[in-house]
Amino acid sequence: GIQVEQSPPDLILQEGANSTLRCNFSDSVNNLQWFHQNPWGQLINLFYIPSGTKQNGRLSATTVATERYSLLYISSSQTTDSGVYFCAVTHNNNDMRFGAGTRLTVKP
Amino acid sequence: GAGVSQSPRYKVTKRGQDVALRCDPISGHVSLYWYRQALGQGPEFLTYFNYEAQQDKSGLPNDRFSAERPEGSISTLTIQRTEQRDSAMYRCASSLSGFQETQYFGPGTRLLVL
Repeated sequence: GIQVEQSPPDLILQEGANSTLRCNFSDSVNNLQWFHQNPWGQLINLFYIPSGTKQNGRLSATTVATERYSLLYISSSQTTDSGVYFCAVTHNNNDMRFGAGTRLTVKP
Repeated sequence: GAGVSQSPRYKVTKRGQDVALRCDPISGHVSLYWYRQALGQGPEFLTYFNYEAQQDKSGLPNDRFSAERPEGSISTLTIQRTEQRDSAMYRCASSLSGFQETQYFGPGTRLLVL
């Protein structure tokens, strides 16, 4: 099945810093989503982005499907950005596969 | 409803008991998905439905796990004869129609098997 790798596994930032999270996948995808799992365990959809670029406030994402990667940018990070960020992909309309996540800690 | 809801939010049970976890998807969503998430890991796909039809149950770990969605709306994931290794967060998601649409997740049910 399709493999999903996220990097870095852990990231510690000072409030106000910018960061880039990466998701590599091993095959073509029909769907790619970025999620934020907050410290209370809620899994919140950030972007549906199988290709192209999207922005939502301080967050933006870019997927280069032909090169099989996606990037999530967080600018001017805040303590509320802390949590685990997951990339999830679907290949050939089969099951959605999640990466292992990037655990982000933003310090005040 | 406004979002995906799941109940109960927490379930503690003794080994060998059966449990039923409920998911109420976003109104109008055709597709409903079940995932299991172990501590420190990403969610793992279990099964999904389009309307009332179960499309793929290849992710169910074994035959103690079953799911149904009899009227194409609310779904129940049942685990029979629970074992300690079944302890995890069980998450439900729904989408308008199929894997090419955005999936929206519920708050999850945290299951602890003693």
